[in-house]
Amino acid sequence: RKEVEQDPGPFNVPEGATVAFNCTYSNSASQSFFWYRQDCRKEPKLLMSVYSSGNEDGRFTAQLNRASQYISLLIRDSKLSDSATYLCVVWTVMDTGRRALTFGSGTRLQVQP
Amino acid sequence: DVKVTQSSRYLVKRTGEKVFLECVQDMDHENMFWYRQDPGLGLRLIYFSYDVKMKEKGDIPEGYSVSREKKERFSLILESASTNQTSMYLCASSAPQGAYGYTFGSGTRLTVV
Repeated sequence: RKEVEQDPGPFNVPEGATVAFNCTYSNSASQSFFWYRQDCRKEPKLLMSVYSSGNEDGRFTAQLNRASQYISLLIRDSKLSDSATYLCVVWTVMDTGRRALTFGSGTRLQVQP
Repeated sequence: DVKVTQSSRYLVKRTGEKVFLECVQDMDHENMFWYRQDPGLGLRLIYFSYDVKMKEKGDIPEGYSVSREKKERFSLILESASTNQTSMYLCASSAPQGAYGYTFGSGTRLTVV
C-alpha cells in the first residue's frame, strides 16, 4: 500500500466550478501535512499547509481528519490558472529518526474555459 | 526567498557514464534531499542529509551515491548510469523541523541513452 494515496484524475472542470481533492495517508505518526502544486515540467511548490482545525487561503480550503488519516483540498471558483497537478504531502518522523516528506503521486486538474 | 539551484536543466548521458548532479541552496538549511519523479510513481526519495558529511538512504538508493562536503551543496552521483535512471531529478532543502515544507530546485531532466 502506498504511504500517501491520491486519485490521479484528471479532473476536468469548467471555470467557476468547485472541485475537491482527497488524499489518505497510512502512517499514523505523520505530523505535518501539505498541499503542493506542480505545473507541467516545473518543480513542486508549496501551496498551503494543512492544519487540524482546517484552514483557508483565498479560494483554497484544506482539511485534515487525523482519525481517518484523510486530507482534502477544496478549490472554489476555479480559474484557468489553477490547472496543474496537486500533490498531497505528509511529513513523518520515524522511530529511526528519519524525517522526510512523502509525496502522493498527484491529482491532475484541468480547468476548461 | 530560499533559492535552490540545480546545475543543469537537461542532461543526456551514455550508459555506463558516471554522472554528477549538483544542488546548491542559499539559506543555510541543514536538510537537503534528492528525489526522482516518474510518471505514475510520483516523487521518490533517493538520499537525504541533515548536516555536512552526513547522509542517509531514502527509499530507492540503489545505483546512486551522494556527497555533502559543504552545508550549501548536495551532490547526487550516478556511479554507472543506466537507462532506467532516465528521470526528472529534484533537489530540495528545508529548515530542521521540516514543518514548513521544502523548497525545490527547478529539476534536472536526465536522459540516459
